Amino acid sequence: GAVVSQHPSRVICKSGTSVKIECRSLDFQATTMFWYRQFPKQSLMLMATSNEGSKATYEQGVEKDKFLINHASLTLSTLTVTSAHPEDSSFYICSAFLANTEAFFGQGTRLTVV
Amino acid sequence: EDQVTQSPEALRLQEGESSSLNCSYTVSGLRGLFWYRQDPGKGPEFLFTLYSAGEEKEKERLKATLTKKESFLHITAPKPEDSATYLCAVHPIDSQGGSEKLVFGKGTKLTVNP
Repeated sequence: GAVVSQHPSRVICKSGTSVKIECRSLDFQATTMFWYRQFPKQSLMLMATSNEGSKATYEQGVEKDKFLINHASLTLSTLTVTSAHPEDSSFYICSAFLANTEAFFGQGTRLTVV
Repeated sequence: EDQVTQSPEALRLQEGESSSLNCSYTVSGLRGLFWYRQDPGKGPEFLFTLYSAGEEKEKERLKATLTKKESFLHITAPKPEDSATYLCAVHPIDSQGGSEKLVFGKGTKLTVNP
């Protein structure tokens, strides 16, 4: 089946540094990918929609300058958490639609900012 | 506003004790309804997509059904390895041009005791 691969699965960084998370569609092309954030014991919260070749669309309340999204190709989207702080610690997940019908998710990235 | 409500929030079953999880939704138009399984610290794993009322899909001990207002995920003779959080999401029809956003419920945490 279709696979979305996310890397890294875990990352620990110091406060003030930036972290890049990659999301790849392995066997299909995705013009649109989605980035979610999940807090403990809560459901997924959509952060932004990543569009290949154009600017990302951010949900209300999500800081564009804090969470930089780049969708440089049909198989790769990246989320960069800039100047990370402890409150940015969370579980980040990406997803992509296959043929506009089925949405597959990456394995998730656990970010811990110390 | 599109909404998804899952019940119960948590469910404990004995091994072999069949039950159902509910997903009620309100949406102006439905492109599809998704069921996912999520294990702790991992991204959601795709289970089913249902597109129209009356549709049913099965996979091992799981069976998903859909009506115009709700979906059920039936679990027959569950095993401890079925323990996970089950997420329901709707893919609404966006009258303004085809948004791909999913609307998630909060999930049902299923625990199956041996």
